[in-house]
Amino acid sequence: SQTIHQWPATLVQPVGSPLSLECTVEGTSNPNLYWYRQAAGRGLQLLFYSVGIGQISSEVPQNLSASRPQDRQFILSSKKLLLSDSGFYLCAWSSVQPKNIQYFGAGTRLSVL
Amino acid sequence: GNSVTQMEGPVTLSEEAFLTINCTYTATGYPSLFWYVQYPGEGLQLLLKATKADDKGSNKGFEATYRKETTSFHLEKGSVQVSDSAVYFCALSDDTGGFKTIFGAGTRLFVKA
Repeated sequence: SQTIHQWPATLVQPVGSPLSLECTVEGTSNPNLYWYRQAAGRGLQLLFYSVGIGQISSEVPQNLSASRPQDRQFILSSKKLLLSDSGFYLCAWSSVQPKNIQYFGAGTRLSVL
Repeated sequence: GNSVTQMEGPVTLSEEAFLTINCTYTATGYPSLFWYVQYPGEGLQLLLKATKADDKGSNKGFEATYRKETTSFHLEKGSVQVSDSAVYFCALSDDTGGFKTIFGAGTRLFVKA
């Protein structure tokens, strides 16, 4: 069966520090991968998605970047965190079939202080 | 562009009450429609889906019918339980670029014993 791992679960970082969140998927190949941010009490904002290794599409201009160094690995990064980067970050994957269903990780709660 | 609008919460019900959470959408073509549920501190998980007009998705006592004529996909449950307390997201997906999913803002449901 397929599983998605996302870590860390909780992170507290000072303003101006770097960020690296990692997401890996097991049990499937060539998944579509996604990073979302969920602000407190609000909906999901799609940040990045990837349809293959090295292929990253950014949905909104921001202080963050994403990379996909391996087929089932998706990394969210920042060189210098801002207060506004605080939130709940979710990684998700979808397969070729059924291609519309997304499977989410447990999320990382990031607090920038 | 595509969009999803769902009723604002929070919705507070007593156990065994009837639940309706309204969802309407705007889309070109023939999107697939979904309801996802997010329990506290967790990622989202698929609750049910419908891929074409008049389809009814159902799971765990929840139901939603794809109504193309009213562009709606309302979530219903005949008798809610305390364990149904969560945030519910309506979503749509089409087959364009990277198979992105558009999420509504989410509706928080509280069920009291």
